[in-house]
Amino acid sequence: DQQVKQNSPSLSVQEGRISILNCDYTNSMFDYFLWYKKYPAEGPTFLISISSIKDKNEDGRFTVFLNKSAKHLSLHIVPSQPGDSAVYFCAASDSGGGADGLTFGKGTHLIIQP
Amino acid sequence: DAGITQSPRHKVTETGTPVTLRCHQTENHRYMYWYRQDPGHGLRLIHYSYGVKDTDKGEVSDGYSVSRSKTEDFLLTLESATSSQTSVYFCAISELLQGETQYFGPGTRLLVL
Repeated sequence: DQQVKQNSPSLSVQEGRISILNCDYTNSMFDYFLWYKKYPAEGPTFLISISSIKDKNEDGRFTVFLNKSAKHLSLHIVPSQPGDSAVYFCAASDSGGGADGLTFGKGTHLIIQP
Repeated sequence: DAGITQSPRHKVTETGTPVTLRCHQTENHRYMYWYRQDPGHGLRLIHYSYGVKDTDKGEVSDGYSVSRSKTEDFLLTLESATSSQTSVYFCAISELLQGETQYFGPGTRLLVL
């Protein structure tokens, strides 16, 4: 039973355009959501997060949108740059359950084309 | 970058041998986690710790044990390694209970022959 789903294994975007990565979740107890970026042979790097009390959070070129009724979140990267090419993981936590770890999606491989 | 190191970074072992992976942090964070990453599965939680000597199981804990005798060190032990435990292992730390943002180490690549 996959509680966090990233349905696009890969996404190709032209440099300078917007990249939109999507994530769906099924557990209504999730109240904190995160995006991580991962390069090969490195650990995941925290990118941006959002609490369920908000519907948008922005940090520079990165914006995360949360639609609680649809149980859907998305990460927008504008403009996309070559260094953004990486695997992006969506993750979620149920803070009411204690610090018992994050639930991750399977990841989306973003490829930025010149 | 958060001060998290993992050792060894690479290891090749044989089926049936015990293996211990170490995670060391210099951030004095309370919470520590072990995940494994496999193709087609994302990251999955093995065990976590919420303080010295306080640990609990995650989603894929079978065949693994952990210990935390000091705040800075969290050990993951494969009592008798199997080929299904070939994976990349990541340690993570966090401080906040609410909205737990976790910071990850560089990973250990383990091959069990």
